Amino acid sequence: QLQLQESGPGLVKPSETLSLTCTVSGGSISSSSYYWGWIRQPPGKGLEWIGSIYYSGSTYYNPSLKSRVTISVDTSKNQFSLKLSSVTAADTAVYYCARSFYYYDSSGYYYAEAFDIWGQGTMVTVSS
Amino acid sequence: EIVLTQSPDFQSVTPKEKVTITCRASQSIGSSLHWYQQKPDQSPKLLIKYASQSFSGVPSRFSGSGSGTDFTLTINSLEAEDAATYYCHQSSSLPITFGQGTRLEIK
Repeated sequence: QLQLQESGPGLVKPSETLSLTCTVSGGSISSSSYYWGWIRQPPGKGLEWIGSIYYSGSTYYNPSLKSRVTISVDTSKNQFSLKLSSVTAADTAVYYCARSFYYYDSSGYYYAEAFDIWGQGTMVTVSS
Repeated sequence: EIVLTQSPDFQSVTPKEKVTITCRASQSIGSSLHWYQQKPDQSPKLLIKYASQSFSGVPSRFSGSGSGTDFTLTINSLEAEDAATYYCHQSSSLPITFGQGTRLEIK
């Protein structure tokens, strides 16, 4: 049974870089069927998609965060990672990793599908 | 960016009641609309994908319908364990977006 587990510092100082890792267990991150995503949720608020990555390294980012986000994959460790630079208090949130199927249409346009498996989430607070 | 607007934001209901939550998209998204349930201090769980397809293991009292811009999540015969926040999510175009959530309280 595939499981996802987020890990990383729970406290980050303003202007620094937030770094999180999602470890995939019970299956391979190198499956051709899935993209792997990051979603966050500020305390008491809704969900925001940050970006998604394929095992080959192909990525899609939310334009609202694109200038500060890097998502990478390490297939040898069955992990993918999130880096968010120049953080502020507004980046305080629970960060989730999740899996989704995907497809490309005849024009080569990427479509994600539902996020069917989620990690338990990790709380990151931005504070000095 | 496609905006998803859920209604209501909050609903207080009694067990065995039938509940309907709606999600309206700012432009047509076909059937690329998915529903999640999130209980306090838990991660979201997929209930319905592509507007009406029940996800594996989800109780049959949960169902979805709709296409284009208007979608509905229905919970028949509500149970106490259904107290949660429900989110819709569109995957029709990037960026992926979510509705603001509907919190369901069981009286």
